[in-house]
Amino acid sequence: GNSVTQMEGPVTLSEEAFLTINCTYTATGYPSLFWYVQYPGEGLQLLLKATKADDKGSNKGFEATYRKETTSFHLEKGSVQVSDSAVYFCAPGDADGLTFGKGTHLIIQP
Amino acid sequence: GAVVSQHPSWVICKSGTSVKIECRSLDFQATTMFWYRQFPKQSLMLMATSNEGSKATYEQGVEKDKFLINHASLTLSTLTVTSAHPEDSSFYICSASGLRNEQYFGPGTRLTVT
Repeated sequence: GNSVTQMEGPVTLSEEAFLTINCTYTATGYPSLFWYVQYPGEGLQLLLKATKADDKGSNKGFEATYRKETTSFHLEKGSVQVSDSAVYFCAPGDADGLTFGKGTHLIIQP
Repeated sequence: GAVVSQHPSWVICKSGTSVKIECRSLDFQATTMFWYRQFPKQSLMLMATSNEGSKATYEQGVEKDKFLINHASLTLSTLTVTSAHPEDSSFYICSASGLRNEQYFGPGTRLTVT
């Protein structure tokens, strides 16, 4: 099965700082890769995805590139906002479902 | 994007009672639905996978007689927590998957067992 290692938080940054949240995975096949976000008090939302090697997913200023050679899918944003404070989950997925990382709690201070 | 709803959004029940949680895909036919459980400050754990019209497949360690899953139609799956106990208190999230295997999550149900 799949597994994922995600950097542990909490990660605390100042507004407008550059963000990187690392994610590496192991997989028996070629999964799609997802980042999900959970805002306080809410359920999960899909943030972005990539379905094959070298694909770049992007949404709301966040980006992540499917790196098959390093089995990574690091999440980046050039300038974070207070509203980005949330828990971020990296997840490889296939027809058998998603395997979630432990989640990274991101705190953005004004 | 696709919408998945869950009902109720939160529920408090007494120990020993059963609770049913509904998961509906509102604008697409979900051939597969997944049920996850999230403990405080922890990741989600897949509990079971259900395909419409067939029995659910449970992950190792999940009691199928305690967590009853029914997927009667392409838009509805239900999770029933039978004889609930305080340790069953958790956040339960469903997701629905269509033909492209992309999963859309419901908003979650907060269960508190007293």
